[in-house]
Amino acid sequence: EAGVVQSPRYKIIEKKQPVAFWCNPISGHNTLYWYLQNLGQGPELLIRYENEEAVDDSQLPKDRFSAERLKGVDSTLKIQPAELGDSAVYLCASSLGSGGRWNEQFFGPGTRLTVL
Amino acid sequence: GENVEQHPSTLSVQEGDSAVIKCTYSDSASNYFPWYKQELGKRPQLIIDIRSNVGEKKDQRIAVTLNKTAKHFSLHITETQPEDSAVYFCAASSDAGGTSYGKLTFGQGTILTVHP
Repeated sequence: EAGVVQSPRYKIIEKKQPVAFWCNPISGHNTLYWYLQNLGQGPELLIRYENEEAVDDSQLPKDRFSAERLKGVDSTLKIQPAELGDSAVYLCASSLGSGGRWNEQFFGPGTRLTVL
Repeated sequence: GENVEQHPSTLSVQEGDSAVIKCTYSDSASNYFPWYKQELGKRPQLIIDIRSNVGEKKDQRIAVTLNKTAKHFSLHITETQPEDSAVYFCAASSDAGGTSYGKLTFGQGTILTVHP
């Protein structure tokens, strides 16, 4: 069974440039998460999708970050414009659902973003 | 919202010794507590989890204990091996409502080093 797929794995950009990350969850997983992981810290949730609906985006800095999951499968996270402080690893995770026994989350390899 | 504290931040043991990592949480609605292992540059991988209807769960050399009254849970690794060296994260979530529903709040991580 294929795991969560993310691309690109690494991205280096100049500040003020736009950047986008892509995630394909495990087949059949309805819930998709985007996390931010700063160096030496645990992941922090940015946004959670149930199918195509963003049900928790309270931690997403909406002035520069956006996300979409149009068909309820793969998802894109965008930053425009990027700032130096956005340098981090962006992790995508998926689970069968959010409740009950279905909330085990499986993580992708992440995209390491460096903003110069 | 939920707050998870994890200790120690670093742990160094000799091969064959036991290692214990402790976490506390604040939201009494949290009832799902997974542990993730993250090797350098790799994705977080779920190694064991516990739900609040049980007090202890074992899987070979790994065990997790939960004290819901005191709001703390611990990871125990016995007969440690060099390949156990990694960063370990605890997390808390609710699978049945509340402010932590559907999202994992992570601890700060513990860097475990097992010396041969």
